Amino acid sequence: NAGVTQTPKFQVLKTGQSMTLQCAQDMNHNSMYWYRQDPGMGLRLIYYSASEGTTDKGEVPNGYNVSRLNKREFSLRLESAAPSQTSVYFCASSLAGGGGYNGQFFGPGTRLTVL
Amino acid sequence: AQSVTQPDIHITVSEGASLELRCNYSYGATPYLFWYVQSPGQGLQLLLKYFSGDTLVQGIKGFEAEFKRSQSSFNLRKPSVHWSDAAEYFCAVGAHGGQNFVFGPGTRLSVLP
Repeated sequence: NAGVTQTPKFQVLKTGQSMTLQCAQDMNHNSMYWYRQDPGMGLRLIYYSASEGTTDKGEVPNGYNVSRLNKREFSLRLESAAPSQTSVYFCASSLAGGGGYNGQFFGPGTRLTVL
Repeated sequence: AQSVTQPDIHITVSEGASLELRCNYSYGATPYLFWYVQSPGQGLQLLLKYFSGDTLVQGIKGFEAEFKRSQSSFNLRKPSVHWSDAAEYFCAVGAHGGQNFVFGPGTRLSVLP
């Protein structure tokens, strides 16, 4: 049982380049989330998917797109990377929307630097 | 909507000393409450959770937390801290069925040898 996995672990991009962060969970969870974590800013929700086939904006969606490919996979795409998107990105999943009484389970993170 | 405050940004304790990390929440109904730990360079790991029943909940790594409705608090405690407990700790509040799962700003714990 791998839980939540994310690829890649590290990435360096130049301004204007695009990339997709991959996330997969094997816990049969319905909801999935993408967060970014910046020093002094805590965790901020970028996008979430309450169930397969649905996605919604979170607190900081600008500059990002997401795809809920199937129940297991939820990807985050940066179409034209900017230095302001340098951050650590976490994917999470939960059985029920919002986390329910089991909470959200997190992947190990992707450390992205945009030059 | 929910909100969470963690009044202490940074706490330093000596190894073997007791620990209490504070968490206060705001939510209209009975909340679902969680504590997470994040070691340097790692993701967030769930320590413990409360959603009903006994107000004192036990978690992993020897941690416990007590839900006090009258004080809107869910403080995390450990009787004797180990050097490996040095990490960032996040309190979170959720609501079943909704999409609001709010994290506090975190408390960084340093442990002196």
